[in-house]
Order: sequence, then structure tokens, then C-alpha cells
Amino acid sequence: KNEVEQSPQNLTAQEGEFITINCSYSVGISALHWLQQHPGGGIVSLFMLSSGKKKHGRLIATINIQEKHSSLHITASHPRDSAVYICAVAENTGNQFYFGTGTSLTVIP
Amino acid sequence: DAGITQSPRHKVTETGTPVTLRCHQTENHRYMYWYRQDPGHGLRLIHYSYGVKDTDKGEVSDGYSVSRSKTEDFLLTLESATSSQTSVYFCAISPRLQETQYFGPGTRLLVL
Repeated sequence: KNEVEQSPQNLTAQEGEFITINCSYSVGISALHWLQQHPGGGIVSLFMLSSGKKKHGRLIATINIQEKHSSLHITASHPRDSAVYICAVAENTGNQFYFGTGTSLTVIP
Repeated sequence: DAGITQSPRHKVTETGTPVTLRCHQTENHRYMYWYRQDPGHGLRLIHYSYGVKDTDKGEVSDGYSVSRSKTEDFLLTLESATSSQTSVYFCAISPRLQETQYFGPGTRLLVL
């Protein structure tokens, strides 16, 4: 049973394209996180959100609590955006974090 | 970058031997976490700590123990390593539960 599902698993885009990665979850949450894992393995937190939308540079994250769904958008994609993007949720009934298996993004010049 | 380091960064060991991984932080964050990352599973929580000497189990705690005797250090011990514990182990810290976590660089462990 996967509490967090991401789609697509793999994504290849041309430089400049608009990219969307989706995350659906099945538990009640207090917050949802988007993480970025670079090819070297390091993990960086991009966003934490519990409602609405957040924007940082070319990255936009949205969440719909009623539908238990979040999206991560990348505008004007660039090869340096190539990474694995991971969705994670903090369950609101306890102390558990659940992670998706990630979306591997490759942006081709 | 948050001040968080892991040691060792790579380790090869044999089945049945004890292994201890160390996570060290300089941020004075209350919460510290140990995860393992495996293909097809994503990150899974092993144990976490909410203060000195205060720890709790995560989703995949069997075969692992932890200790936190100082705010800055969180140790993960495999009492008798098995091949199924071959993985990449990440430590993370956060100031409060369920808030943004900052991840260490990871430790690659191979159990032969």
C-alpha cells in the first residue's frame, strides 16, 4: 500500500518546456513537501505547503487538500533541472512521513 | 546549507557484523531522522528522535537501533548486518516535527 503516488515515474523534456509532476496521497496530512534529489544523491527541500500555492523562481507548487493532490510545475525548463523530484507528506495523526518513489526528470538541451 | 554531516560516507561490511552510522548537526535542531532509500521504495523512516534520549520507531525499524546522547549526534546501529540492509542511508534534521527537513549527504552501505 502506497500512501503517496507520483506520476509520471520518468519524464524527458526539451529545454524550455513547461513541466508538471503530480502527487496524490491517501492519508490526512498536515503538510506536503516537494524535494529535489540531484544525480549526486543530495536531497534538497523545495517547498512545504499545506494549502494553496507557492512559487520560487521557475518552480510552482500547488495543493488541493480536498482532492488530496499536489502538482509541481517547472516553467522554462533547463538541463540543470534534471533531477529526481520527490513528494512527501506529513501525516496529521502522528509522526509519520510518507514519501513517493520520485519522478526522474531529464531536460535535454 | 544546513550543517549536517554523515559518517562514514561509504562502507562495505560482511553479514553478521555490527555497523554504526553517525549523523552530526550544528543547527541545534530538536528533531533528527534516519531514513533508508531503496529502488522502488523511496525514502522510508527507520527511527527518529525528538530530543536527547528520546527516540521512536518509524516504518522500517526492525534490525536497527538508535541513540541520541547529545543534541548534535544521532547514531544508527545495525547490531548484526544483513544483506537486506544494503541501502543508502540518509539523516535529516528539522526544528519542529512535520516541518521542512534538511538532509545529510547520505551513506552508502553494502553488506556482503
